[in-house]
Amino acid sequence: AQSVAQPEDQVNVAEGNPLTVKCTYSVSGNPYLFWYVQYPNRGLQFLLKYITGDNLVKGSYGFEAEFNKSQTSFHLKKPSALVSDSALYFCAVRANTNAGKSTFGDGTTLTVKP
Amino acid sequence: GAGVSQSPSNKVTEKGKDVELRCDPISGHTALYWYRQSLGQGLEFLIYFQGNSAPDKSGLPSDRFSAERTGGSVSTLTIQRTQQEDSAVYLCASSQGRTGDLYGYTFGSGTRLTVV
Repeated sequence: AQSVAQPEDQVNVAEGNPLTVKCTYSVSGNPYLFWYVQYPNRGLQFLLKYITGDNLVKGSYGFEAEFNKSQTSFHLKKPSALVSDSALYFCAVRANTNAGKSTFGDGTTLTVKP
Repeated sequence: GAGVSQSPSNKVTEKGKDVELRCDPISGHTALYWYRQSLGQGLEFLIYFQGNSAPDKSGLPSDRFSAERTGGSVSTLTIQRTQQEDSAVYLCASSQGRTGDLYGYTFGSGTRLTVV
């Protein structure tokens, strides 16, 4: 079984401040972890992934995420938020033994205010 | 094609009618997925096709839902006797090969289904 929790429905930050969008997961076996972003009136876009190796992974648009095995977390971060980062963010997980099928969280709406 | 194409982009149907949603994946992508995004909820897995293997239908919510993939390319999701709770955005995604999803899914823009 695999599952994802995004504990915050909404995150509000001021432009220029750091942002964190939280994600915790549960899988049997080793996890593959992903973040996707959905901008208003646009489709879902892949942002970054953790498969193996360094716990800190970097992705598009200056985003990064840190894999923490002991806390089963994969929080999305950005040092300095932009208004244009405002979007719906989804965390997803797949067990390395579960070919192809990822489980997504319920999403977190990020609002960056100028 | 250059991306995953879904049609129609919007569909309004009367309760009890059947609907067909179409997905045209990226050329060469052997894996195809259907997800459903309901208002205020996350993405719900529906079905997964990988090459010529039997599809993983474990996410289909009822026997009113079915999907097929012809020639390993285009897929059609059919919902029979639609109900209001079927209203959602239906998303299709594709990836290359058995582990292509590790590079991330490529999603289509979705079909917004409204059952009235």
